[in-house]
Amino acid sequence: AQTVTQSQPEMSVQEAETVTLSCTYDTSESDYYLFWYKQPPSRQMILVIRQEAYKQQNATENRFSVNFQKAAKSFSLKISDSQLGDAAMYFCAYRSRGGSNYKLTFGKGTLLTVNP
Amino acid sequence: DAGITQSPRHKVTETGTPVTLRCHQTENHRYMYWYRQDPGHGLRLIHYSYGVKDTDKGEVSDGYSVSRSKTEDFLLTLESATSSQTSVYFCAISITGYYGYTFGSGTRLTVV
Repeated sequence: AQTVTQSQPEMSVQEAETVTLSCTYDTSESDYYLFWYKQPPSRQMILVIRQEAYKQQNATENRFSVNFQKAAKSFSLKISDSQLGDAAMYFCAYRSRGGSNYKLTFGKGTLLTVNP
Repeated sequence: DAGITQSPRHKVTETGTPVTLRCHQTENHRYMYWYRQDPGHGLRLIHYSYGVKDTDKGEVSDGYSVSRSKTEDFLLTLESATSSQTSVYFCAISITGYYGYTFGSGTRLTVV
């Protein structure tokens, strides 16, 4: 079974600075998807960014980008120009490309604090 | 966006009582999931469904059952609630694998 590890239970960053959240995963598969979800205090789960394993190019979404290292099984999230609204719990998630009924496996989360 | 609603949003119940949480979607997506979220554990899969009357267990299914008699509704039942089932419960649907999940707003369940 796949596992997802987020080694940083908590992180903090100053407003306007850059922060990187770590995620590693364990799989024997070669084709899969990776996701970062954000959960603000409202509890809503919001998709931040996704990456397809067969694409070497790192995904970017505005101030959010990933560093996808397939051989190292690493999928870190970089938040540039951090804003107060970025304060949230962030979850990394893994999904097989096929044969899994689209199930997502989540890490335990990283709580990000943004200091003004 | 796919509409997905969970009810109730909050619930307090007593140990030993049955509890049913409801997840409703407004589009005919095949795959639906129930997760629980606990501090230090992230989100863990309880049960999922891949069609009407087609369900399967996740990693933390003990003490829970599910039913899906219609495409749009996926029910999670705690037959006899215990304090260890105090948690936030999320329902999710999968549109396609590429898009991951769309989540409901969650149900905070407290068992006293």
